[in-house]
Amino acid sequence: GQQLNQSPQSMFIQEGEDVSMNCTSSSIFNTWLWYKQDPGEGPVLLIALYKAGELTSNGRLTAQFGITRKDSFLNISASIPSDVGIYFCAGQLNTGFQKLVFGTGTRLLVSP
Amino acid sequence: DAMVIQNPRYQVTQFGKPVTLSCSQTLNHNVMYWYQQKSSQAPKLLFHYYDKDFNNEADTPDNFQSRRPNTSFCFLDIRSPGLGDAAMYLCATSRLTRENEQFFGPGTRLTVL
Repeated sequence: GQQLNQSPQSMFIQEGEDVSMNCTSSSIFNTWLWYKQDPGEGPVLLIALYKAGELTSNGRLTAQFGITRKDSFLNISASIPSDVGIYFCAGQLNTGFQKLVFGTGTRLLVSP
Repeated sequence: DAMVIQNPRYQVTQFGKPVTLSCSQTLNHNVMYWYQQKSSQAPKLLFHYYDKDFNNEADTPDNFQSRRPNTSFCFLDIRSPGLGDAAMYLCATSRLTRENEQFFGPGTRLTVL
């Protein structure tokens, strides 16, 4: 099935560093969602974006809905060890039932 | 308080032996989804229910079935599990509104021996 291009595929950073990851698509989406998944657990919703150009924060996390509606980015500031996990973006298609299309995931490792 | 609950968290079955995974929700959402997730990959949608209306993805094998007896509960039945069906199975729920974020349960890890 369709997947979004998400980059980077993985990141290994030092505690305290800022992190940036993004998703791009050839299709327009009307909603962008960012999830974090810990090993052996289900994805947890971090941020939801509903309008082109929207910039939303959730604590140390900031995400933006691209103005073209074909991309989104997620920034994590001052990373901590518990930020470790896989981050997925997901777009909702603008047709009929709003199915989620997932990105390929970014694996984040944080060194203390 | 848990909002999307999946039982069991770990399930072991034998090749060809039917297995049922369950999901319940306290959110009163009208849409429930089942996803399959294999290692390090994104979740893959198997099917969803909008209230009692069942919607199968085109590439979901016939081996996978689902039941939703009421708003709160949804079941995934795997009729004859193969080794390739070993995966994490995720249940999710949402409202059917424009702002309809999907909320996931913790998943059931299925092992097929």
